[in-house]
Amino acid sequence: GAGVSQSPSNKVTEKGKDVELRCDPISGHTALYWYRQSLGQGLEFLIYFQGNSAPDKSGLPSDRFSAERTGGSVSTLTIQRTQQEDSAVYLCASSPRGSGRASSYNEQFFGPGTRLTVL
Amino acid sequence: RKEVEQDPGPFNVPEGATVAFNCTYSNSASQSFFWYRQDCRKEPKLLMSVYSSGNEDGRFTAQLNRASQYISLLIRDSKLSDSATYLCVVIANTGGFKTIFGAGTRLFVKA
Repeated sequence: GAGVSQSPSNKVTEKGKDVELRCDPISGHTALYWYRQSLGQGLEFLIYFQGNSAPDKSGLPSDRFSAERTGGSVSTLTIQRTQQEDSAVYLCASSPRGSGRASSYNEQFFGPGTRLTVL
Repeated sequence: RKEVEQDPGPFNVPEGATVAFNCTYSNSASQSFFWYRQDCRKEPKLLMSVYSSGNEDGRFTAQLNRASQYISLLIRDSKLSDSATYLCVVIANTGGFKTIFGAGTRLFVKA
């Protein structure tokens, strides 16, 4: 079946512009996660959704970052007034439940990521 | 102090060697633990969940020590294809469920 898809795969933008990144999770997965990964670094948790709700927004780096999820499916991550330090790969993942238990229902399946470059 | 810490490596080992990675976590509210694998310029993929009693999957063994707040991954009979970055993952109950990835340990298996 179809995995997690993200678009665009690459985005080059100028400093100060807004960008919107899209994630299509696996059909039926209730939990959706956004991370970012800078070159040679680990994954930085940004936000996760349980259905359309985001219980934990503490990972968003600043108020320039926002995310929404509609219909329990597609999610968009918006970065306003982009800065050079926003350059990274933005990864989206989904899992069947996301309850936090160590079970196969909480395996996170990752999309290929969007590589964002801010000039 | 990072919430999840791993030795970044790299670990350079010959084929057939046994190698072990450790990971420590600081949040005592951590509930679930996983090891993910990430190949170069690829997305992470689940290697195995880590259960309280420890668990084994083929050449891979994972252990959890809640008292000392660390988890480990043991790889026996290393293969060239095991070369990757191994990510320690912790899910903590912070009111919601926050997933925290370690920075990863790089492994190179040489012929």
